[in-house]
Amino acid sequence: QKEVEQNSGPLSVPEGAIASLNCTYSDRGSQSFFWYRQYSGKSPELIMFIYSNGDKEDGRFTAQLNKASQYVSLLIRDSQPSDSATYLCAVTSGTDKLIFGTGTRLQVFP
Amino acid sequence: KAGVTQTPRYLIKTRGQQVTLSCSPISGHRSVSWYQQTPGQGLQFLFEYFSETQRNKGNFPGRFSGRQFSNSRSEMNVSTLELGDSALYLCASSLGQGNGKLFFGSGTQLSVL
Repeated sequence: QKEVEQNSGPLSVPEGAIASLNCTYSDRGSQSFFWYRQYSGKSPELIMFIYSNGDKEDGRFTAQLNKASQYVSLLIRDSQPSDSATYLCAVTSGTDKLIFGTGTRLQVFP
Repeated sequence: KAGVTQTPRYLIKTRGQQVTLSCSPISGHRSVSWYQQTPGQGLQFLFEYFSETQRNKGNFPGRFSGRQFSNSRSEMNVSTLELGDSALYLCASSLGQGNGKLFFGSGTQLSVL
C-alpha cells in the first residue's frame, strides 16, 4: 500500500464547476496535510495546508480533512481553465518526512 | 526575495559517472529537502538537511548522498550513475525542519545515457 494515494485522473470538469480531488494516507500518525499544484513543466507550489479535522477555506479552495478515515480532499469552486494542472497531496509522516502522492491531473474545459 | 536556485538546469551523463547538483535556498530558510520526480513514481523523498545535519532520509541506495553547508546551501551527489537515475531532481527549502511548507526550485533534469 502506498503511503499517500491519489487517483491519477485526468479529472475533467467544465468551467465554473466544482472540482473535487481526493487523497488517502496510510500513516495514522500523520499530523500535517498539504496540497501542491504543479503546472506542466513547472515546479510544485503550495496552495493549501490543513492540520485539524474539518474544512479550511481560502478563496476558491477548500481543504477537507478526516483523520478517522485517513482522507484529505481539495475542492476548487468556480473552476477556471487556468486551474488545469496536476494537484499533489502531501502528508507529513510520523518521522516528519513530507510524502507526496503521485498527483491527480485536473483538466478544466471552457 | 530570490527563490530557490538549482544548478545546473540540465545534465547529461553516462552510466558509471557521478554527478553533483547544487541548491541555494531562500534567504533565511535553514531546511533543504531533495526529491526525485519521474513520470511513473511521482515525487520521491531523498533526504532533508537542517543546520548542516541530515535529519531524514528516504529509501534510496547509498549512491545518493548529500550535504549542507553553513550558509544552508546544499549539494546532492549521485555516484555510479544508472539509467534509472534519469529524472528531475527538485530541491525545496523551508524555514524549519519537518515543515511541509516547501518552496521548490526549478529542478535539475538529469539524463543518464
